[in-house]
Amino acid sequence: GQNIDQPTEMTATEGAIVQINCTYQTSGFNGLFWYQQHAGEAPTFLSYNVLDGLEEKGRFSSFLSRSKGYSYLLLKELQMKDSASYLCAVREGGSTLGRLYFGRGTQLTVWP
Amino acid sequence: DTEVTQTPKHLVMGMTNKKSLKCEQHMGHRAMYWYKQKAKKPPELMFVYSYEKLSINESVPSRFSPECPNSSLLNLHLHALQPEDSALYLCASSQGTNTGELFFGEGSRLTVL
Repeated sequence: GQNIDQPTEMTATEGAIVQINCTYQTSGFNGLFWYQQHAGEAPTFLSYNVLDGLEEKGRFSSFLSRSKGYSYLLLKELQMKDSASYLCAVREGGSTLGRLYFGRGTQLTVWP
Repeated sequence: DTEVTQTPKHLVMGMTNKKSLKCEQHMGHRAMYWYKQKAKKPPELMFVYSYEKLSINESVPSRFSPECPNSSLLNLHLHALQPEDSALYLCASSQGTNTGELFFGEGSRLTVL
């Protein structure tokens, strides 16, 4: 099974930096994903971590610590269009290969 | 082409109707997924197909019947649904079940009356 926890809501101002945390417990681990979802739209892939460390992609970075069951998504130079739900998702390995489970999502509001 | 295309975008059906949702991808992905998403909730996994074979069924009621006619297509057949089945149904694909990120379609918004 899996248990993925992330904050429900966060707010920040334009140009700021925000960090969205995600903790997880899973039987078998085969990667952690971050997705962005605007209201009424499909989730869009942001980043993927399978090994410990930081992955950087433009204004977005994601960090993983497998021993701590912890990840964060860092968004820099926030823009109004970054207001969205950010979903942490864990792919299980082993006998449950193929299952990608989502956390409840963190609704980020960016203010001018 | 990095698109997953779903049709229809909106569907309204009665509890006695039979309808189908369709999903198509041309990225050569061998894993395809159905997720269900209710408002303000995360997507919930329903089915996983790997190389056109059903590999995971998350104890979904039999009124939902998936089908994978070929490596590019995924269907979800709907019959005798309940109003609580109203949701956004998302199709996704990935290179394999343990490789690559999932690409999602825009979803089919289903309303059951």
